[in-house]
Amino acid sequence: EPEVTQTPSHQVTQMGQEVILRCVPISNHLYFYWYRQILGQKVEFLVSFYNNEISEKSEIFDDQFSVERPDGSNFTLKIRSTKLEDSAMYFCASSDPRGLFHEQYFGPGTRLTVT
Amino acid sequence: GQQLNQSPQSMFIQEGEDVSMNCTSSSIFNTWLWYKQEPGEGPVLLIALYKAGELTSNGRLTAQFGITRKDSFLNISASIPSDVGIYFCAGHNAGNMLTFGGGTRLMVKP
Repeated sequence: EPEVTQTPSHQVTQMGQEVILRCVPISNHLYFYWYRQILGQKVEFLVSFYNNEISEKSEIFDDQFSVERPDGSNFTLKIRSTKLEDSAMYFCASSDPRGLFHEQYFGPGTRLTVT
Repeated sequence: GQQLNQSPQSMFIQEGEDVSMNCTSSSIFNTWLWYKQEPGEGPVLLIALYKAGELTSNGRLTAQFGITRKDSFLNISASIPSDVGIYFCAGHNAGNMLTFGGGTRLMVKP
């Protein structure tokens, strides 16, 4: 069964450093998303991406964040200058617009620890 | 923004018991989804509901989309140890984003 994959599973970085989180969405999906989950809290929407551009973003997704689809399979989230409060699980998701696009399928997540 | 209130926050039950959890919102959603998250993993889609009043089953799981479109419940019948995890409701309205509830942590005693 196709699934969303994410790398790395755990990333430790120092405050102020740039990090890039990588995702490979399900191959025939066209909508891609990033969510984050601070430890013990609910899953929060960051951004959605379709047709090589951001289609929606939340207040959390400020200028420190960017997304990119550098090739036909990868989808990345970049945090330019990490802060302590960026420590969280980051989940990539994808959906198929030919079906019901809000049926979003999530990857296993990347745990980001900012020290 | 829209808020989803999920209850109970946690449940500790005996294997074989039935479980019920629900999600309420102050505003309308057009789609309700239920996800399960196990430790160290991402949310896994269990059930999606598209119409007010809709009742949908997936094995031992049954979910309903409330008639007011402001609530949904999830039932698990005859719980087993592998049902352990955190169950999240999520609502979709306009746009692409899902709004998640706070989760119900389910613990099952064998």
